[in-house]
Amino acid sequence: GENVEQHPSTLSVQEGDSAVIKCTYSDSASNYFPWYKQELGKRPQLIIDIRSNVGEKKDQRIAVTLNKTAKHFSLHITETQPEDSAVYFCAAKSEGQNFVFGPGTRLSVLP
Amino acid sequence: DTGVSQDPRHKITKRGQNVTFRCDPISEHNRLYWYRQTLGQGPEFLTYFQNEAQLEKSRLLSDRFSAERPKGSFSTLEIQRTEQGDSAMYLCASSLWLNTEAFFGQGTRLTVV
Repeated sequence: GENVEQHPSTLSVQEGDSAVIKCTYSDSASNYFPWYKQELGKRPQLIIDIRSNVGEKKDQRIAVTLNKTAKHFSLHITETQPEDSAVYFCAAKSEGQNFVFGPGTRLSVLP
Repeated sequence: DTGVSQDPRHKITKRGQNVTFRCDPISEHNRLYWYRQTLGQGPEFLTYFQNEAQLEKSRLLSDRFSAERPKGSFSTLEIQRTEQGDSAMYLCASSLWLNTEAFFGQGTRLTVV
């Protein structure tokens, strides 16, 4: 079955700096890769996703890149703000299967 | 609120008791997922449905766990003979049957004492 690894487990950046979180997956059949943000005590919420026919996707300060050959994908947050502080989860999914989540990255944006 | 809703939000139960949680997905969503999340961990897959059919159940799920989605709308997750290790946040999510994003409910936090 699919296995998703995520690094780093914790990340602290200064406000205004960039943050990068990396995930690897094992199942070459996976073709959908969402990223979720979870604030303390709240539900995970989708912030960006990418499909396997695309190498990069950007939405304002957030971007995701996908390398299918290496089976890894990354989340990039530029110009970080204190409200970006949260736990971020990557996930991988193939058609007809469930979402497999990484263990999460706790991002702290320091003022 | 047209999002995924879960009930109850919190449940405290004594060890050995049975508990049942309910999830109401977004109305047009065919797929419904149950996940369990413990502190500091990512959501762990339990089971999922397409309409009323339970398509996959995690091998980690003991026989004490059962889930239903009788009419392809809401779903229930029952845990029998609860143990302290069952204490966690139980998350429900729904999506369209195509490979699309999953929307999560706010979860049911279970505490077994």
